[in-house]
Amino acid sequence: AQSVTQLDSQVPVFEEAPVELRCNYSSSVSVYLFWYVQYPNQGLQLLLKYLSGSTLVKGINGFEAEFNKSQTSFHLRKPSVHISDTAEYFCAVSNFDYKLSFGAGTTVTVRA
Amino acid sequence: DTGVSQDPRHKITKRGQNVTFRCDPISEHNRLYWYRQTLGQGPEFLTYFQNEAQLEKSRLLSDRFSAERPKGSFSTLEIQRTEQGDSAMYLCASSSGQGEWETQYFGPGTRLLVL
Repeated sequence: AQSVTQLDSQVPVFEEAPVELRCNYSSSVSVYLFWYVQYPNQGLQLLLKYLSGSTLVKGINGFEAEFNKSQTSFHLRKPSVHISDTAEYFCAVSNFDYKLSFGAGTTVTVRA
Repeated sequence: DTGVSQDPRHKITKRGQNVTFRCDPISEHNRLYWYRQTLGQGPEFLTYFQNEAQLEKSRLLSDRFSAERPKGSFSTLEIQRTEQGDSAMYLCASSSGQGEWETQYFGPGTRLLVL
């Protein structure tokens, strides 16, 4: 079985500042890794995913994440955030059985 | 393509009543998933279908829960004899089932409150 730990429950950040959301996972087998975003009153939207290959993954809206196998981490970054990035962010992991295991989420609040 | 839709968006019920939620996946997606999300937590997997076949059920899905996907299109999730602990957001997702890894597309969810 796999599990995900999101190390920060809340991250306040000023507009145009960089942000990093931390995610660690545990699994006894190879995994696929995902970041989803949930805007208020909306469903989850996929930001990016790591399946294999390059450890630096680029996603939508200027987000990127880096897979680090030795540290079992998949941290999400954005160099300059906008007010519209205010949302809840979920890291998720899956092995080959397709179901996703999510972390508890990180709430990002962007302030002007 | 209108995305995954769920109905109703909100449901308030009294303890002991039965409730049924509906999910309409993206057209021609053959995989459909149900997740439950409680306050302050990430979604937890409940069950999934490949076409009309229910392939896996989480231990979270007690005997009071039943899910169906009768013609491999829409799906229903029924909770019998609801309890206050069933209060949560119920999320549905679908995927095409093709490729190395298919993206799961999520609906807006049904928020259930059991009084």
